[in-house]
Amino acid sequence: EPEVTQTPSHQVTQMGQEVILRCVPISNHLYFYWYRQILGQKVEFLVSFYNNEISEKSEIFDDQFSVERPDGSNFTLKIRSTKLEDSAMYFCASNLGGELFFGEGSRLTVL
Amino acid sequence: GQNIDQPTEMTATEGAIVQINCTYQTSGFNGLFWYQQHAGEAPTFLSYNVLDGLEEKGRFSSFLSRSKGYSYLLLKELQMKDSASDLCAVRDGTDSWGKLQFGAGTQVVVTP
Repeated sequence: EPEVTQTPSHQVTQMGQEVILRCVPISNHLYFYWYRQILGQKVEFLVSFYNNEISEKSEIFDDQFSVERPDGSNFTLKIRSTKLEDSAMYFCASNLGGELFFGEGSRLTVL
Repeated sequence: GQNIDQPTEMTATEGAIVQINCTYQTSGFNGLFWYQQHAGEAPTFLSYNVLDGLEEKGRFSSFLSRSKGYSYLLLKELQMKDSASDLCAVRDGTDSWGKLQFGAGTQVVVTP
């Protein structure tokens, strides 16, 4: 069964460093998303992406964040200068319509 | 603003039935989704309603009333593996593919 894959599964970084989280969405999907979940809190929408551009973003998705689809398969989330409060599980998701299919997540720990 | 409310926790016995309610107030509506999330894992899709009524999918059923802003997820014949957080999520845009807004989740605890 096709699935969304994410790398790395866990990343530890120092505050102020740049981080890139990578996702390979399901191959025939057209719509891509990033969500985050701080430990013990709810799953929060960050950004949606369609046709090589951002279609919607939340207030959380400020200038420190960017997304890119550098080739036909990868979808990346970059955090330019990480803060302690960026520590969370980051989930990538994709769909064609209907339900979202989530990857296993990348746990980011900022020290 | 957006508001999606569901109980924090529910406890039930193995083999029993549990009903998790969700109420929502969102700026738009294009479907209500239920996901299950085990600790440290990704949300996995359970059920979806876009029209009023009941959708049944094996041991899981979900009901929607759009006029009341209300849904429930019914889990029958509870198994130990159903101990997880069940998440209510609403698609609040006009497109059939757009983002989902999630509630805080209901932690289901299944006891032997």
